[in-house]
Amino acid sequence: EPEVTQTPSHQVTQMGQEVILRCVPISNHLYFYWYRQILGQKVEFLVSFYNNEISEKSEIFDDQFSVERPDGSNFTLKIRSTKLEDSAMYFCASKIQANTEAFFGQGTRLTVV
Amino acid sequence: GQNIDQPTEMTATEGAIVQINCTYQTSGFNGLFWYQQHAGEAPTFLSYNVLDGLEEKGRFSSFLSRSKGYSYLLLKELQMKDSASYLCAPHNDYKLSFGAGTTVTVRA
Repeated sequence: EPEVTQTPSHQVTQMGQEVILRCVPISNHLYFYWYRQILGQKVEFLVSFYNNEISEKSEIFDDQFSVERPDGSNFTLKIRSTKLEDSAMYFCASKIQANTEAFFGQGTRLTVV
Repeated sequence: GQNIDQPTEMTATEGAIVQINCTYQTSGFNGLFWYQQHAGEAPTFLSYNVLDGLEEKGRFSSFLSRSKGYSYLLLKELQMKDSASYLCAPHNDYKLSFGAGTTVTVRA
């Protein structure tokens, strides 16, 4: 069964370093998302991506964040200069069309030290 | 802006029925999803409502009233494995937003 895959499963980085979280959405899907979940808190929307551009983003998604779909299969989230408060689980999701369910990857746990 | 409200916690016994209510106010509305999330795992899809009324999928049913900004998820014949967080998620064309989730604990 097709699935969304995320790598790495766990990343530890030093404060101020850049990190890139990688996702491979399901191959025929058109809508892509990044979410984060701080331990014990809710799943928070970061950004949605459709037709090769950002379609919507939250207040969390500031200039430190960027997304790319460089090659038609990968979908990446970059955090330019990580802060301690960026420590969270980051989920990638994709869906085939607007009114269908989104499928989530298993997440990347980012720890900033 | 948006606001999604659901109870924080609910407890029920195995075999019982539990109803999780959700009220929402969002900018733009296409429909509402319910997801299940076990601790440390990704959310998984349970149910979707576009039109008013009840959608039934086995032991899980979901109801939507668009005019009232209200939905509920009904879990029947509860099993221990149903202990999880249940997330109410209204969406528009490009954004799927999650409530804080209702943690359901099923006791033997």
